[in-house]
Amino acid sequence: GAGVSQSPSNKVTEKGKDVELRCDPISGHTALYWYRQRLGQGLEFLIYFQGNSAPDKSGLPSDRFSAERTGESVSTLTIQRTQQEDSAVYLCASSLVGRRGETQYFGPGTRLLVL
Amino acid sequence: EDQVTQSPEALRLQEGESSSLNCSYTVSGLRGLFWYRQDPGKGPEFLFTLYSAGEEKEKERLKATLTKKESFLHITAPKPEDSATYLCAVQGRNYGGSQGNLIFGKGTKLSVKP
Repeated sequence: GAGVSQSPSNKVTEKGKDVELRCDPISGHTALYWYRQRLGQGLEFLIYFQGNSAPDKSGLPSDRFSAERTGESVSTLTIQRTQQEDSAVYLCASSLVGRRGETQYFGPGTRLLVL
Repeated sequence: EDQVTQSPEALRLQEGESSSLNCSYTVSGLRGLFWYRQDPGKGPEFLFTLYSAGEEKEKERLKATLTKKESFLHITAPKPEDSATYLCAVQGRNYGGSQGNLIFGKGTKLSVKP
């Protein structure tokens, strides 16, 4: 596709439920990143994929968060047993090969609200 | 620890009133400084990448500059459609061994009134 796409655009869930967020990177981009943006805060890094392996999971806030990527395409971020503090915008970005200094292009985000 | 601080948090300008946004950073071995624009309800839109002190880039009414400690985003004769939050991010040489996650500031919210 022309850009990074994410689905759903918005998700409202009840505390304790599991949610899955999806990201389709720009075609041909091997590097994929997930970030979280809380209200009034800067974007915080969650996880980085190079192809379908995740060499850096250092930003995942707890073991309730996990992510996977199939091939060099779609990635899903799963949050189990959601908590109210998980409410945020989850942004996905991709870049060509993941080289330092390379531009990351962002999707529109998924707005998650945990009631 | 790599860090980015943006100022001011919010800026209100009249149409045509030029100004600058500041991004101060500390990073181990800068590999890139990035400026993004974010409109409400949307993802960040890439504007510029700067790699070394003294570098400048321009796009329409925007000009980004870089020194060893900070970057400025200069807005010349802004229009209401320039209203958005402007985000600054850096990428260092060896952040936690990662290949390339960005460290973001909290952004400057710009409002341009007609």
